[in-house]
Amino acid sequence: DVKVTQSSRYLVKRTGEKVFLECVQDMDHENMFWYRQDPGLGLRLIYFSYDVKMKEKGDIPEGYSVSREKKERFSLILESASTNQTSMYLCASSEGGYFYEQYFGPGTRLTVT
Amino acid sequence: AQKITQTQPGMFVQEKEAVTLDCTYDTSDQSYGLFWYKQPSSGEMIFLIYQGSYDEQNATEGRYSLNFQKARKSANLVISASQLGDSAMYFCAMREGRLTDKLIFGTGTRLQVFP
Repeated sequence: DVKVTQSSRYLVKRTGEKVFLECVQDMDHENMFWYRQDPGLGLRLIYFSYDVKMKEKGDIPEGYSVSREKKERFSLILESASTNQTSMYLCASSEGGYFYEQYFGPGTRLTVT
Repeated sequence: AQKITQTQPGMFVQEKEAVTLDCTYDTSDQSYGLFWYKQPSSGEMIFLIYQGSYDEQNATEGRYSLNFQKARKSANLVISASQLGDSAMYFCAMREGRLTDKLIFGTGTRLQVFP
């Protein structure tokens, strides 16, 4: 089975801290994604990566950066956390190609105080 | 611009009954894909069913079927014989064209199944 893991289920950080959210997939997928989920807004794409060291901005990249040094690992970085970044963060991966679904991790609920 | 609309914030259904969750989409691409995901209270998104824009038949996966009406740009999820474990958030999503693996998600419908 495809497994996508995220480093933390719950995280509490202070305003201004640098925050790292880690995601690892074990199926050699080419594509990896970071989403943010907020009530009433659904899932919004922050960044995605289709290859090692390759990244593209999604719909809401402001305040975030990403890193993909190895194929299985995709990190989301909040350079200076702010309270409006309190949210659920979901990582996903997929094989390259048109017909393949995305597999999601369990999510990290981040609270910035 | 591509868009997914789910107009039902919440739905209730009695156990063993069928329920339809609505999804409409907007795209100018001729080639696209439509997905439904389930999100239980645990938070993990679970893939349920996929429909390609060129698929002539409606997709089915066990108790899940997708009522695809291309002319109306709708892709409703039908759950037959609801179970208590079906209580969850349900998201409709669309893949934009052929050149990307990005998905656009709707805002979701919360389904509650009661005994």
